[in-house]
Amino acid sequence: GQNIDQPTEMTATEGAIVQINCTYQTSGFNGLFWYQQHAGEAPTFLSYNVLDGLEEKGRFSSFLSRSKGYSYLLLKELQMKDSASYLCAARWGGKLIFGQGTTLQVKP
Amino acid sequence: KAGVTQTPRYLIKTRGQQVTLSCSPISGHRSVSWYQQTPGQGLQFLFEYFSETQRNKGNFPGRFSGRQFSNSRSEMNVSTLELGDSALYLCASSPATGVGEAFFGQGTRLTVV
Repeated sequence: GQNIDQPTEMTATEGAIVQINCTYQTSGFNGLFWYQQHAGEAPTFLSYNVLDGLEEKGRFSSFLSRSKGYSYLLLKELQMKDSASYLCAARWGGKLIFGQGTTLQVKP
Repeated sequence: KAGVTQTPRYLIKTRGQQVTLSCSPISGHRSVSWYQQTPGQGLQFLFEYFSETQRNKGNFPGRFSGRQFSNSRSEMNVSTLELGDSALYLCASSPATGVGEAFFGQGTRLTVV
């Protein structure tokens, strides 16, 4: 199978750091994506990892370990507008398989 | 650079009808994939087109079909609509099959009544 697992919900405080984990099955995998989705809107691209390591983009960073089938999205200096669903997706060939998404609630 | 464009944004159809949705990828991108998003099932892969050929297909009935034109624009068709087809339909554009970043359009929200 090509299951993607990520936590359903997380809560964090404004200004804090939060890490959202994602695990996937490694066979045939060729890329890991993170998207942000606000309610009623389309997913917005955040990051794409193909090689092992950390990719940093401003307040957001994404990490990948191909051998472990593991990724995380790190959000720093949380803002209220970061309250959204965060989708992890692994690519096999030309298709993206998504996890169920992690709903992040940022509290004041 | 223009993003991924989907039309129409909203659509209301009656059971039994058919519908065609359109997706124009980012300029230079030749792979277009389609997804269905519902509250219960999340984002599910429908199919992917590259160079006018279907390269990958998800687990959806044959009522769901698509095609891609020589300019990389893609259409998705759903025939004999059912209430359960009500969903947000999203397309994503990539440079090629299995290569590079994938960006989504704004989606078409289909309501079947």
